[in-house]
Amino acid sequence: GQNIDQPTEMTATEGAIVQINCTYQTSGFNGLFWYQQHAGEAPTFLSYNVLDGLEEKGRFSSFLSRSKGYSYLLLKELQMKDSASYLCAVANNNAGNMLTFGGGTRLMVKP
Amino acid sequence: DGGITQSPKYLFRKEGQNVTLSCEQNLNHDAMYWYRQDPGQGLRLIYYSQIVNDFQKGDIAEGYSVSREKKESFPLTVTSAQKNPTAFYLCASQAAGGEKLFFGSGTQLSVL
Repeated sequence: GQNIDQPTEMTATEGAIVQINCTYQTSGFNGLFWYQQHAGEAPTFLSYNVLDGLEEKGRFSSFLSRSKGYSYLLLKELQMKDSASYLCAVANNNAGNMLTFGGGTRLMVKP
Repeated sequence: DGGITQSPKYLFRKEGQNVTLSCEQNLNHDAMYWYRQDPGQGLRLIYYSQIVNDFQKGDIAEGYSVSREKKESFPLTVTSAQKNPTAFYLCASQAAGGEKLFFGSGTQLSVL
């Protein structure tokens, strides 16, 4: 089976930096995704890591360590609109690249 | 424009009633998925289909049924056997050999 853990809630201040962690245990690992989801809306794709290291995309960066089963999403220069849930998901190539999602981290950005 | 469309946006179910949620995609994707999301929670897999005329149960399939008669369409029926159907339902599709999921806009199902 697969197990994906991430914190339930986080709070940060506008303009600051926040790091959202995700740990996973899985067989057939074929990459880790981060999605952003605003309440009542569909998740939107943020990043995909399949190799170890840091991927940077504007204000958002994502890191992966396959040996540690660990990833984080780093959000810089936080804006109020970044208040959302952030979902970590792992692809399993033993199951046709099906994604399994963690419970999501609700981020609240305060002025 | 290519995309994935869910309808309706909001749906109400009466006691003992079956309801069907629509999901259509014109991305020519082989795989399609249905997820359930409860308030403040992550996504849980209900059913998935990786090819036409074939589908598999996910983690929480009880009380649900699906069909995949056409590549473009993957409707989900919430049956009367599903005793707690109130949730946000998301459909997604994925290209063959691809990893990224494309999501529909979701259907909020509530019980009257």
